[in-house]
Amino acid sequence: DSGVTQTPKHLITATGQRVTLRCSPRSGDLSVYWYQQSLDQGLQFLIQYYNGEERAKGNILERFSAQQFPDLHSELNLSSLELGDSALYFCASSVGGGLAKNIQYFGAGTRLSVL
Amino acid sequence: DAKTTQPNSMESNEEEPVHLPCNHSTISGTDYIHWYRQLPSQGPEYVIHGLTSNVNNRMASLAIAEDRKSSTLILHRATLRDAAVYYCSQGGSNYKLTFGKGTLLTVNP
Repeated sequence: DSGVTQTPKHLITATGQRVTLRCSPRSGDLSVYWYQQSLDQGLQFLIQYYNGEERAKGNILERFSAQQFPDLHSELNLSSLELGDSALYFCASSVGGGLAKNIQYFGAGTRLSVL
Repeated sequence: DAKTTQPNSMESNEEEPVHLPCNHSTISGTDYIHWYRQLPSQGPEYVIHGLTSNVNNRMASLAIAEDRKSSTLILHRATLRDAAVYYCSQGGSNYKLTFGKGTLLTVNP
């Protein structure tokens, strides 16, 4: 158990809908990262928050947004969903904000199916 | 964007050493090299990381080339539980941790 909690584990929805994925980091970790994993693209970095502020952005679509709340949990919002958004979404956390040497601890993921 | 290159798959026998290679073509001087692995139906988990010199921990060893353009993850005695996808990555001042497609390691009994 990594200590990172993601909910829900599975999510099934229809095209055009909006969903929210939630992540609670390990106790004491200030950074939260979001990743998308699909069969053809591998593990893709989406976005990072550190202590409530956006720190880095990857290949995140404009239809996707995220935030980190004062209690450090984070939410990833996916809107106007398309079939191609079906994937595993992972959250990770680390103590520090820099990626140079911080170890990331990953949650078990949320499997999103868009029908 | 930073890019790493790994073989798609490798195979090993149980209790034999495994050397998993990675090329870091765009690594900069301040980028750390990280290795993670993903067991079936689980999230990725940290294996090891280093900057310039070789590193050892209870899970594995990391050998880093002198020019840092390549690294090798060494599992000294592979077990069936080591069967996973292994990702090398590099992270540094640009805050982006880039994962490649990973290497699927199969361990034969």
